[in-house]
Amino acid sequence: EVHLVESGGALVQPGGSLRLSCAASGFGFSDYWMHWVRQAPGKGPVWVSRIHSDGSFTSYADSVKGRFTVSRDNAKNTLFLQMNSLRAEDTAVYYCARDFPGFHNAFDFWGQGTVVTVSS
Amino acid sequence: EIVLTQSPGTLSLSPGESATLSCRASQSVSSSRLAWYQQKPGQSPRLLIYGASSRATGIPDRFSGSGSGTDFTLTISGLEPEDFAVYYCQQYTDTPPLFTFGPGTKVDIK
Repeated sequence: EVHLVESGGALVQPGGSLRLSCAASGFGFSDYWMHWVRQAPGKGPVWVSRIHSDGSFTSYADSVKGRFTVSRDNAKNTLFLQMNSLRAEDTAVYYCARDFPGFHNAFDFWGQGTVVTVSS
Repeated sequence: EIVLTQSPGTLSLSPGESATLSCRASQSVSSSRLAWYQQKPGQSPRLLIYGASSRATGIPDRFSGSGSGTDFTLTISGLEPEDFAVYYCQQYTDTPPLFTFGPGTKVDIK
């Protein structure tokens, strides 16, 4: 069974940094592209970032480009999101999601999310 | 950037009735790149439909997707109690890579 468990969410001040982790199990993690998607309270999901299976290619939404960095450790089946220069508008539940294999245009499994709150 | 609009915002129906949810794109979307998700309170989204009309693994056949170009539809034939939730459409473009979601349609119990 596919399992994605996020951690690392916290209350942080504007301008601060945070590193999120996503532990994956139940599938061949190193074979899959992975994503981070966030959802502000009462809003729809918003895609944040994508990383290819071997970590060679990454993509970001314009709103986080230059501030967030996605990475992965395939030996430890773990996905990361380093978030710097955090802003109030980054407040959201952050989900890691598995890329829909073969299509690369949807998300077929999601974790339960970790809450990031940016506030002074 | 392609913007997705969903209607109605809220749909109030009774169990057993059918629901028709609309997703309209600001530009033409390849059918292969349109997906639908269900999200219940306190849960993460669940993939229902990919490629505009193909059901994801384990999704009951009362869920069906259709459409092309700029107009897509999710139909739920015979609402079950567990179907009352928020539904999002999502599209993908690859130059540059960008996934966008609609604002959602809430299906609640009448």
